[in-house]
Amino acid sequence: NAGVTQTPKFRVLKTGQSMTLLCAQDMNHEYMYWYRQDPGMGLRLIHYSVGEGTTAKGEVPDGYNVSRLKKQNFLLGLESAAPSQTSVYFCASKVGMGSYNEQFFGPGTRLTVL
Amino acid sequence: KNQVEQSPQSLIILEGKNCTLQCNYTVSPFSNLRWYKQDTGRGPVSLTIMTFSENTKSNGRYTATLDADTKQSSLHITASQLSDSASYICVVSASYNTDKLIFGTGTRLQVFP
Repeated sequence: NAGVTQTPKFRVLKTGQSMTLLCAQDMNHEYMYWYRQDPGMGLRLIHYSVGEGTTAKGEVPDGYNVSRLKKQNFLLGLESAAPSQTSVYFCASKVGMGSYNEQFFGPGTRLTVL
Repeated sequence: KNQVEQSPQSLIILEGKNCTLQCNYTVSPFSNLRWYKQDTGRGPVSLTIMTFSENTKSNGRYTATLDADTKQSSLHITASQLSDSASYICVVSASYNTDKLIFGTGTRLQVFP
């Protein structure tokens, strides 16, 4: 049981380049999330999904797109990377509705945009 | 504005000593409060969760308290170990939206031998 995995672990992009971050979970969770973590700030929600084929905007969605074609995978795309998107990105999943259900986090992807 | 504030920002203690981390929140309405531990280079891992009616919850050497009236929580670590070196994040869920979590900025704890 790997839990939540993220690929890649590290990436350096030039301004304007595009990339996709992959999140996979093997816990059969319905809900999945993408967060970014920046120094001196709490984690901020980018996008989330409440089930296969659904996506919704979070707190800071601009410049990102997501897709949930399969229940176990949640993709985060950057179409034209900007230096402001330099951050550590975390994916999380939880079994279903209800704030008492724990979100399980992946190990993170450190992205640098030059 | 919903906010979660933690103090201190960073803390250094010697192995074997106790410490207490603080969390104040202005989230309303309140659903639950969770403490996460985040090791360097890793994702956060849940330590405890408390709802409105709970005022203390333990997980091994970690004990969390909650005062819903004053909107304060604390995380007490007993007999610290080197492996306790990490960031500790207080996270509050507002009951009007069960999918929105408000994260504190964390307390960075370093335990030295």
